[in-house]
Amino acid sequence: KQEVTQIPAALSVPEGENLVLNCSFTDSAIYNLQWFRQDPGKGLTSLLLIQSSQREQTSGRLNASLDKSSGRSTLYIAASQPGDSATYLCAVPRDDKIIFGKGTRLHILP
Amino acid sequence: NAGVTQTPKFQVLKTGQSMTLQCAQDMNHNSMYWYRQDPGMGLRLIYYSASEGTTDKGEVPNGYNVSRLNKREFSLRLESAAPSQTSVYFCASSGLVSRTPLHFGNGTRLTVT
Repeated sequence: KQEVTQIPAALSVPEGENLVLNCSFTDSAIYNLQWFRQDPGKGLTSLLLIQSSQREQTSGRLNASLDKSSGRSTLYIAASQPGDSATYLCAVPRDDKIIFGKGTRLHILP
Repeated sequence: NAGVTQTPKFQVLKTGQSMTLQCAQDMNHNSMYWYRQDPGMGLRLIYYSASEGTTDKGEVPNGYNVSRLNKREFSLRLESAAPSQTSVYFCASSGLVSRTPLHFGNGTRLTVT
């Protein structure tokens, strides 16, 4: 059974710092891994999708890495801003389903 | 582009009432999903439809039914609402699960009293 874990559940960092969010999964036979952002009271927005054949995917200040063999992915956010405050979730497909972690709630301190 | 559209945005029901949550996507996606999101529980899959004409149970299907009306639309029905079904419900869709991103609607906030 695929399980997806995100630690820590919450994180506060001062504005301007670089930070890393972690995602781990138990079954390494994945097609891809996706990172999402969720603002309070809103739906989920896809940030990055990294295919199993890739090691990294970048979009602006965001960089996602994937290490299938160790069952881990990281989301690196450079030069954090207050607007980055949100909950970040990772997800992996399993058969026809998509399994989510519970997310990391990020608070950037001005 | 509309993407994934959910209606209604908010709903209050009394225990025992029924309702249908509507979801439509305009991206020609094969797969559609219904999730519920509760504090501390994360996103839990209720039902999904891998293609038009098929539906399957997810992690928490009890108390719900679904209909994949056509390729665009996937509805979720609560036949007899219970307070435990108070939650935020999200519909999502994707093309090939192995290749393409998952797109979400903005959610329906349901309260059952």
